[in-house]
Amino acid sequence: NAGVMQNPRHLVRRRGQEARLRCSPMKGHSHVYWYRQLPEEGLKFMVYLQKENIIDESGMPKERFSAEFPKEGPSILRIQQVVRGDSAAYFCASSRGQGINRAFFGQGTRLTVV
Amino acid sequence: QQQVKQSPQSLIVQKGGISIINCAYENTAFDYFPWYQQFPGKGPALLIAIRPDVSEKKEGRFTISFNKSAKQFSLHIMDSQPGDSATYFCAARWGNAGGTSYGKLTFGQGTILTVHP
Repeated sequence: NAGVMQNPRHLVRRRGQEARLRCSPMKGHSHVYWYRQLPEEGLKFMVYLQKENIIDESGMPKERFSAEFPKEGPSILRIQQVVRGDSAAYFCASSRGQGINRAFFGQGTRLTVV
Repeated sequence: QQQVKQSPQSLIVQKGGISIINCAYENTAFDYFPWYQQFPGKGPALLIAIRPDVSEKKEGRFTISFNKSAKQFSLHIMDSQPGDSATYFCAARWGNAGGTSYGKLTFGQGTILTVHP
């Protein structure tokens, strides 16, 4: 049973470009969380999704960021018009049910904006 | 009120020693307190967790001590090993008044633990 798969592992974008980060949850998992980790800081909650629904997006910046988790396929975190401050590691976690105590994190996508 | 403060920022321990990492919080709405271990280039992995109605939880060499009145909790790693060298994060989950807590965690800033052989 493969773990949570995130791709790409590393992503370099120029300022103003779009970044798309993908998260394939573990088999049988229908809950996905996205977190962002800035250098030398802890992880910060961004959004919680279930299949086809955004449950809590209270940690998402109001502009340029969006997330989806379609019925089929991976969850996507999309950042439009990236800026240098978006450079960070983005982690997703998935769980079968609601509890984070049963969630597993992926290895993250390290976004660098140049 | 939303913060979880973690200390120390870094910790060096000799093999066989005890590693102690402390966290403090203010929000009484937190209802679950996990610790995560993260190796370089990897995602965080759940290490051990505690609920506020318990004062201590032990799993192998890892123990969480929880002081609800002081709003503090700590991780103790007994007989520390070089393989324990990693970054450790404490976290707290936002409880939901309706009893349907999920995965919205607030993390501490992390502690880089180095265990020397």
